[in-house]
Amino acid sequence: SQQGEEDPQALSIQEGENATMNCSYKTSINNLQWYRQNSGRGLVHLILIRSNEREKHSGRLRVTLDTSKKSSSLLITASRAADTASYFCATDVWGNKLVFGAGTILRVKS
Amino acid sequence: DVKVTQSSRYLVKRTGEKVFLECVQDMDHENMFWYRQDPGLGLRLIYFSYDVKMKEKGDIPEGYSVSREKKERFSLILESASTNQTSMYLCASSSTRWYSYNEQFFGPGTRLTVL
Repeated sequence: SQQGEEDPQALSIQEGENATMNCSYKTSINNLQWYRQNSGRGLVHLILIRSNEREKHSGRLRVTLDTSKKSSSLLITASRAADTASYFCATDVWGNKLVFGAGTILRVKS
Repeated sequence: DVKVTQSSRYLVKRTGEKVFLECVQDMDHENMFWYRQDPGLGLRLIYFSYDVKMKEKGDIPEGYSVSREKKERFSLILESASTNQTSMYLCASSSTRWYSYNEQFFGPGTRLTVL
């Protein structure tokens, strides 16, 4: 059961530009997390935002959460070729499990 | 650093074979997960274990079983591999401590091809 849906499915930008990815979900959440996956590898946790937070920053990453719209966005500023990867949102709904979306494929051209 | 390791990066098996995928974590995490990842479908949970010898079905358990005899090790078993089980398999672990917020740590994945 997929809770989160990322938009767009794929994004191609030039190095130095900003990249924005969106995630929508269906039910109430405890927190929402973003993960990155480099080609053919495992996922790596990037950033977490709790349900009572609206915005969070970590380096070049900025995450927002709008619980009224059940949506989140991940902004990567000043993108680099090394940011090329797939990005997934994951919602912590209940219990110990996360529900992952289908992901956004980001390509940063140098 | 948390480390989650998987027994193989690439595996090729024949239809009908019994396949074992092993996952080991070294951070004393209570929870362990097996996902499969297919293009356009994201990660789908196969099985979840919250303690030794405890397991819970995920979204797509059919054709799979799991074993967790020790806290650090979680095995995924394909009883009789079929071509539609060709996929990337990802193992993950997480802590139940409140400050972990259920953050999951992933292994590098096993790309399984069933011929």
